[in-house]
Amino acid sequence: DAGVTQSPTHLIKTRGQQVTLRCSPKSGHDTVSWYQQALGQGPQFIFQYYEEEERQRGNFPDRFSGHQFPNYSSELNVNALLLGDSALYLCASSKTSGRARSYEQYFGPGTRLTVT
Amino acid sequence: ELKVEQNPLFLSMQEGKNYTIYCNYSTTSDRLYWYRQDPGKSLESLFVLLSNGAVKQEGRLMASLDTKARLSTLHITAAVHDLSATYFCAVDTVGDSNYQLIWGAGTKLIIKP
Repeated sequence: DAGVTQSPTHLIKTRGQQVTLRCSPKSGHDTVSWYQQALGQGPQFIFQYYEEEERQRGNFPDRFSGHQFPNYSSELNVNALLLGDSALYLCASSKTSGRARSYEQYFGPGTRLTVT
Repeated sequence: ELKVEQNPLFLSMQEGKNYTIYCNYSTTSDRLYWYRQDPGKSLESLFVLLSNGAVKQEGRLMASLDTKARLSTLHITAAVHDLSATYFCAVDTVGDSNYQLIWGAGTKLIIKP
């Protein structure tokens, strides 16, 4: 049973560029959440997708956008990159619908984004 | 605004000792999570506490939840070096689903052989 997968593992971009990060949830999960974790800090919630819609959003600017596909995988897009966007981006999956609903979120290995 | 506070933020201890990490949160929530993170790695789920009085144990770690006091504890018994990591607690903000987890700043635990 594959867990949560993310790609790429590392990425280096320059200021002003755009980036797309990808996430495949754990088998059987239908909900994907994205978090940003700066070095030495706790994760910060960016947004959550369920049924291909953004269900909740944290305190992040519109430069951060996302998408969920019918197979439940998800993308995080960041436009006009700033130096402060350098962080570990974590994707977490969970199951919202059905009798086997789980409150537990399972995290992927993360994508380390460096903006120069 | 929901806030989650952990203390201590840094803990250095000897193997074999016991210690407790505390997690306080500011508003009503019935779900609290503990995660472990090793340096440069992702987050590993340790415990999910879903109701007042919940207590869960796994090996040398035991977590409890007091929703009335808005307090969770993670107790380490007879610590071993392998437990060195950063431990995070997180709290749900929406009643019926895990829409948004709010995280503590983490407790960096170093256990010296």
